[in-house]
Amino acid sequence: DSGVTQTPKHLITATGQRVTLRCSPRSGDLSVYWYQQSLDQGLQFLIQYYNGEERAKGNILERFSAQQFPDLHSELNLSSLELGDSALYFCASSVEGLALGELFFGEGSRLTVL
Amino acid sequence: AQSVAQPEDQVNVAERNPLTVKCTYSVSGNPYLFWYVQYPNRGLQFLLKYITGDNLVKGSYGFEAEFNKSQTSFHLKKPSALVSDSALYFCAVTPGGQNFVFGPGTRLSVLP
Repeated sequence: DSGVTQTPKHLITATGQRVTLRCSPRSGDLSVYWYQQSLDQGLQFLIQYYNGEERAKGNILERFSAQQFPDLHSELNLSSLELGDSALYFCASSVEGLALGELFFGEGSRLTVL
Repeated sequence: AQSVAQPEDQVNVAERNPLTVKCTYSVSGNPYLFWYVQYPNRGLQFLLKYITGDNLVKGSYGFEAEFNKSQTSFHLKKPSALVSDSALYFCAVTPGGQNFVFGPGTRLSVLP
């Protein structure tokens, strides 16, 4: 158990809909990373927050947004969903703001868009 | 641009034989290198990292990795493979502490 909790574990929705994925980082970790894993794209970095502030941005679509709340949990919002958004979405946490140490991954939220 | 290559999609090895999973990287500045493992339906788990110092790094579950600056490689090794090592392995680099860049992954199958 990594200590990182992601909900929901599975989500099935239709094109055009909006979903929210939630992540609770490991106790004491200030950084939260979001990754998208699909069969053809591998593990793609979406966005990182550190202590409530956006720290780094990757290949995140404009239809996607995220935030980190004062209690350090984070949410990833996906809107106007398309079939191609079907993927496994991982949250990972670490103590540092810089990418120097170990990342602790949650078990992921599997999104299926029909 | 920073990148990580794992030239083999799949590696098959017999149980108790040595295994190697290859990784090469391209990064400006000093690389910080990592290996992660992903078991089916699970998140990635940290195996080991190289920041500085000895080129041979030892990690979890008997794995080790060798940093080779001239070849820009960071190959993962284990002297004696177990069937339970079968999983997806990811190499990652953080160029100077900036964001993690992951390789495409290599699927390791250890055959009994």
